[in-house]
Amino acid sequence: AQSVAQPEDQVNVAEGNPLTVKCTYSVSGNPYLFWYVQYPNRGLQFLLKYITGDNLVKGSYGFEAEFNKSQTSFHLKKPSALVSDSALYFCAVRDSYYTDKLIFGTGTRLQVFP
Amino acid sequence: DTAVSQTPKYLVTQMGNDKSIKCEQNLGHDTMYWYKQDSKKFLKIMFSYNNKELIINETVPNRFSPKSPDKAHLNLHINSLELGDSAVYFCASSQELAGHNEQFFGPGTRLTVL
Repeated sequence: AQSVAQPEDQVNVAEGNPLTVKCTYSVSGNPYLFWYVQYPNRGLQFLLKYITGDNLVKGSYGFEAEFNKSQTSFHLKKPSALVSDSALYFCAVRDSYYTDKLIFGTGTRLQVFP
Repeated sequence: DTAVSQTPKYLVTQMGNDKSIKCEQNLGHDTMYWYKQDSKKFLKIMFSYNNKELIINETVPNRFSPKSPDKAHLNLHINSLELGDSAVYFCASSQELAGHNEQFFGPGTRLTVL
């Protein structure tokens, strides 16, 4: 069965510092991995995805994520955080064997302090 | 131009009533979804349709009935509303059912059952 875990409910970081939001997954086949961001009272917005190829994926707003197959992780990173990055971040996975369903993590609230 | 739109944005109703939420996408996508986000922000798939055909029907009470009149629309009708139905409901769409396609989300409908 496919699953995804976001071990941190909240991540706090000072503006200008690097940020990392963690995600680990479990699938039977190959993983299709996604990051989405949700701003208050808004729908989810797609940030980036890993399907195949280069393990480092670059996305919107300066975010990137690194796929690590041995650690079954897909952590979201940004070199320099902005206050406007404060939002709820969701990792999601689809199993290449069961491609109909996208499973979301429980979300991590990122708080960037000025 | 709004890619995925939902109406209404807010819905407040009494227990036992029947209500509908409408969703439309102008992206030309083949697949549409309904998700439920509870008060703890957990996001769970309810239904997906591909070219008007039901693909995913999670363990959702049969008081919930999706209807897809065409591939640009996916409506959600809820009978005999209960307190536990209070949540934010998101519609989403993707180009096709294949696992590597990202999903585009609507702004959500906040349903409050009194």
